[in-house]
Amino acid sequence: DTGVSQDPRHKITKRGQNVTFRCDPISEHNRLYWYRQTLGQGPEFLTYFQNEAQLEKSRLLSDRFSAERPKGSFSTLEIQRTEQGDSAMYLCASSLDPGNSPLHFGNGTRLTVT
Amino acid sequence: AQTVTQSQPEMSVQEAETVTLSCTYDTSESDYYLFWYKQPPSRQMILVIRQEAYKQQNATENRFSVNFQKAAKSFSLKISDSQLGDAAMYFCAYTGTYKYIFGTGTRLKVLA
Repeated sequence: DTGVSQDPRHKITKRGQNVTFRCDPISEHNRLYWYRQTLGQGPEFLTYFQNEAQLEKSRLLSDRFSAERPKGSFSTLEIQRTEQGDSAMYLCASSLDPGNSPLHFGNGTRLTVT
Repeated sequence: AQTVTQSQPEMSVQEAETVTLSCTYDTSESDYYLFWYKQPPSRQMILVIRQEAYKQQNATENRFSVNFQKAAKSFSLKISDSQLGDAAMYFCAYTGTYKYIFGTGTRLKVLA
């Protein structure tokens, strides 16, 4: 069990640029989640995959956000035309079925939009 | 929609003492699970303890225990014999099917 890994750990970008984050879940975990966390707040749900299928996408995710999980393995989260309000920590987590299995989190990717 | 509320933004406890962090939630589901997660400064979030709603017995994990009051929709975390390493943000979380909903967190300070 190597844990959930996220890359990069930090990303600084200028407003209007596109960014892509990667998450590698624990290998046997079929469920994968993306959350966003701002300073002093709890994680906010963004999207959820079961294997390669994206089963729910939060209303928080505008059309500028897209996530994929090809072949049910790693996942990417892309933000197009970044805005300063996108600055946050983006957390990836994975878990086993059933849905009550605890989440295992990565270290997160901290995005700063200047 | 389900909600999770943590009304204590910050708590302090003296080393070796006991502290209780509060959490309330709202749901119309009958089958669900509750968790407490710990997030140390600049480190990843880790599971502290988990409670199944259908179990009446409160969960315990070493120095950590919960007081689960299903009718009151309350789920508090008790930390006994507090240690300096317990200093962190603590998040209460709820899940019914697959989506996990988190509270806003309680920052715990441990005083030497």
